[in-house]
Amino acid sequence: ETGVTQTPRHLVMGMTNKKSLKCEQHLGHNAMYWYKQSAKKPLELMFVYSLEERVENNSVPSRFSPECPNSSHLFLHLHTLQPEDSALYLCASSQERASGVNTDTQYFGPGTRLTVL
Amino acid sequence: AQKVTQAQTEISVVEKEDVTLDCVYETRDTTYYLFWYKQPPSGELVFLIRRNSFDEQNEISGRYSWNFQKSTSSFNFTITASQVVDSAVYFCALSEISAQKLVFGQGTRLTINP
Repeated sequence: ETGVTQTPRHLVMGMTNKKSLKCEQHLGHNAMYWYKQSAKKPLELMFVYSLEERVENNSVPSRFSPECPNSSHLFLHLHTLQPEDSALYLCASSQERASGVNTDTQYFGPGTRLTVL
Repeated sequence: AQKVTQAQTEISVVEKEDVTLDCVYETRDTTYYLFWYKQPPSGELVFLIRRNSFDEQNEISGRYSWNFQKSTSSFNFTITASQVVDSAVYFCALSEISAQKLVFGQGTRLTINP
């Protein structure tokens, strides 16, 4: 595997279900990101992990719970979602060059298309 | 605050035509980075180019070229002799040193018709 991979590619879930999205990066990067892309909004940054610590949480509802067990893996745990949470969820990674300074190129995975019924 | 505007929501051209995608940005920082990404129907954002604010040289890569003009806060992308495989949504993005995050424009959906 190369680059950034995401599983599953497609997910349909009911509002009472619990599911998890997985992201894995094979680039040796030390920062990982979750983005949400819905039909009528630009890409929204949800979470940022740097060196396995969460450094940003953009007012995301608690029904989304990220986990970063190591620098190569990132999860997004989902529970009691709403239909408006249906979107493409993209994971990205980059190499943070210095503490608190991250302007390096982000490389994206193929995304998980989530549908909440 | 950082902001990126891609005024062209959709563009449709016939194959082999040249097409330019516009990107205008707003920032108060003097140090920042600009990016273009391509999102084909498969969904993955593919990195195309990164440019820092101190490098205003235009860049050409095959059929792709980028025109960075700080005076007009623009970073436009031109595809020469377009091909059907160029059909995708293209995003312009800005990253400020102070904000440490990537802000995307709304994207431009480009359709190249055979």
